[in-house]
Amino acid sequence: NAGVTQTPKFQVLKTGQSMTLQCAQDMNHEYMSWYRQDPGMGLRLIHYSVGAGITDQGEVPNGYNVSRSTTEDFPLRLLSAAPSQTSVYFCASSYSRAGITKTGELFFGEGSRLTVL
Amino acid sequence: ILNVEQSPQSLHVQEGDSTNFTCSFPSSNFYALHWYRWETAKSPEALFVMTLNGDEKKKGRISATLNTKEGYSYLYIKGSQPEDSATYLCAHKDSNYQLIWGAGTKLIIKP
Repeated sequence: NAGVTQTPKFQVLKTGQSMTLQCAQDMNHEYMSWYRQDPGMGLRLIHYSVGAGITDQGEVPNGYNVSRSTTEDFPLRLLSAAPSQTSVYFCASSYSRAGITKTGELFFGEGSRLTVL
Repeated sequence: ILNVEQSPQSLHVQEGDSTNFTCSFPSSNFYALHWYRWETAKSPEALFVMTLNGDEKKKGRISATLNTKEGYSYLYIKGSQPEDSATYLCAHKDSNYQLIWGAGTKLIIKP
């Protein structure tokens, strides 16, 4: 079972470059999300989606765009990378955001380590 | 956004010893409390999702308790093994259904 697949695992960018982090899940999950993880801090939500065609901002959305054209895919775009975006990025999915019918536990990808010079 | 605090930040435990650590969260608007284990170079994996005050959950040598009225959860590991070395994350889900994460407790088991 693939679960949540993130690519690439590592990326180095120069300031101002753009890139897309890919995320795909094969569990038919409604809810997908992107987090960033920085040393000494908890995971911070960037953007999330509760279903195809629906996206919303999390705690730290600035500098990032997302789209959700299919249930399976939820790419994260950095339009003009900045050194402050150096971080580890996690994609995570869940049966439902509210977890009303399920536990709502998140299933994570393995992370993408991004360095912006 | 109200903070979720985890303590201690890191912990060294001798193999075979038992240990515990704490997650503190806002007691208002409580919906659920999640615990995850995150091993280096792997994906965080869910350990427990707890929703009721007084909940106790167990998975092998790991157990957790929940007190929603005072806003804390304890994670216990009995007879620590090297494979328990990981960062343990907790997250509070409020009635807006968003997860707010603690910074984690990094557990290192010394052989």
